[in-house]
Amino acid sequence: QSALTQPASVSGSPGQSITISCTGTSSDVNGYNYVSWYQQHPGKAPKLIISDVTNRPSGVSNRFSGSKSGNTASLTISGLQAEDEADYYCSSYTSSDSRVFGGGTKLTVL
Amino acid sequence: EVELVESGGDWVQPGRSLRLSCAASGFTFDDYAMHWVRQAPGKGLEWVSGINWNGGKMGYAASVKGRFTISRDNAKNSLYLQMNSLRGEDTALYYCTKGPPWNELMYKWSDPWGQGTLVTVAS
Repeated sequence: QSALTQPASVSGSPGQSITISCTGTSSDVNGYNYVSWYQQHPGKAPKLIISDVTNRPSGVSNRFSGSKSGNTASLTISGLQAEDEADYYCSSYTSSDSRVFGGGTKLTVL
Repeated sequence: EVELVESGGDWVQPGRSLRLSCAASGFTFDDYAMHWVRQAPGKGLEWVSGINWNGGKMGYAASVKGRFTISRDNAKNSLYLQMNSLRGEDTALYYCTKGPPWNELMYKWSDPWGQGTLVTVAS
């Protein structure tokens, strides 16, 4: 199972919106509504921020939102804040009855 | 509060074995799937293995299938990963993570995560 494809890096200024893409195939992203997103600050454990493509767990800011179209899932962060600077990973269920992660995207807040 | 504490990480020579443990607290352990996810130094996340709520279903990444075995002891609120025939590419921080409840697909998401235990495979 190949890793999902994410851009290596994205950047934005405070207050702006950014979108991180996560591209898979019909065997994972496009086949199921089981895409999740994780935020990881340096030296810290990852944290779930989006589940089941669009669901935001309790306690997660509503500035984070998820969507999906075909083989590509997306994470949008609106009203960018300095604390959003982190690595972001997508993950999907696969037709092999397993999980796969994306390669990760480093978000820089300018 | 949910807490996951991994242990057992160590430096080990290629070809040797190691057993990781994860002690869980703050939730009804036997209601949830559990997973191991690893992160090589400076690299991204890689799903390693998952197990459903009662230990009746396990899954493995292709990179570890046949070498690693996941298990759980619900009476002890503990998750394990037996790692055999270790290779240099297994060097990573291994995270224990809580999965969905028993009535949902076990692979949907992971939350929360422990702080990880470091496995180094080198001669």
